Amino acid sequence: DVVMTQSPLSLPVTLGQPASISCRSSQSLVHSNGNTYLNWFQQRPGQSPRRLIYKVSDRDSGVPDRFSGSGSDTDFTLKISRVEAEDVGIYYCMQGTHWPQTFGQGTKVEIK
Amino acid sequence: QVQLVESGGGAVQPGGSLRLSCGASGFTLSNSAMHWVRQTPGKGLEWVSYIGYEGNDQYHIDSVKGRFTISRDSSKNTMFLQMNSLKAEDTAMYYCAKDTMGCLGDWGQGTLVTVSS
Repeated sequence: DVVMTQSPLSLPVTLGQPASISCRSSQSLVHSNGNTYLNWFQQRPGQSPRRLIYKVSDRDSGVPDRFSGSGSDTDFTLKISRVEAEDVGIYYCMQGTHWPQTFGQGTKVEIK
Repeated sequence: QVQLVESGGGAVQPGGSLRLSCGASGFTLSNSAMHWVRQTPGKGLEWVSYIGYEGNDQYHIDSVKGRFTISRDSSKNTMFLQMNSLKAEDTAMYYCAKDTMGCLGDWGQGTLVTVSS
């Protein structure tokens, strides 16, 4: 199975400051069709996960543009340009290229 | 607007069975690939099962193969997860999700399964 490794696992941030989460996969996430199925999810306290980013860098409808995704092959990053209070929660990367699809351990974002 | 509502969770003894349902609205479930995902405090999020557009394509995580079956009823616009021979390690919140752009897109609110004697 593809192992997804996130860092850091805990991320205290100051409101208005940027934040960055790294996600590395144990093998390339480039699919045979040329797409890279690396996705980011946000889970706010008490809520279901919500997808923010799909295929590395495409933002879902309604997701603020302060969220951006980048990377390639095995190395990916989620950036929040200016953290707001509503961004508190756990962020997960997930690969959909290989079966079984697998998640990272999650990164807990909290306000300092 | 896509809406997914899971039901059927509950408490069951080891070796028992449950059937989870995922009712869909806002789209035609038979035209969509769908997933089940579970979440435990200890193991985080874990993808469980997938059914493709035509139902012939199915995948399961190794730990549930031979015990869990994914299916859907087009007439009810509902997907199911039949879970047999349940184990303590199957205890989790179970979510259904619609596949969008090759990945889990819209999620339901989840249904809790507790396997304990």
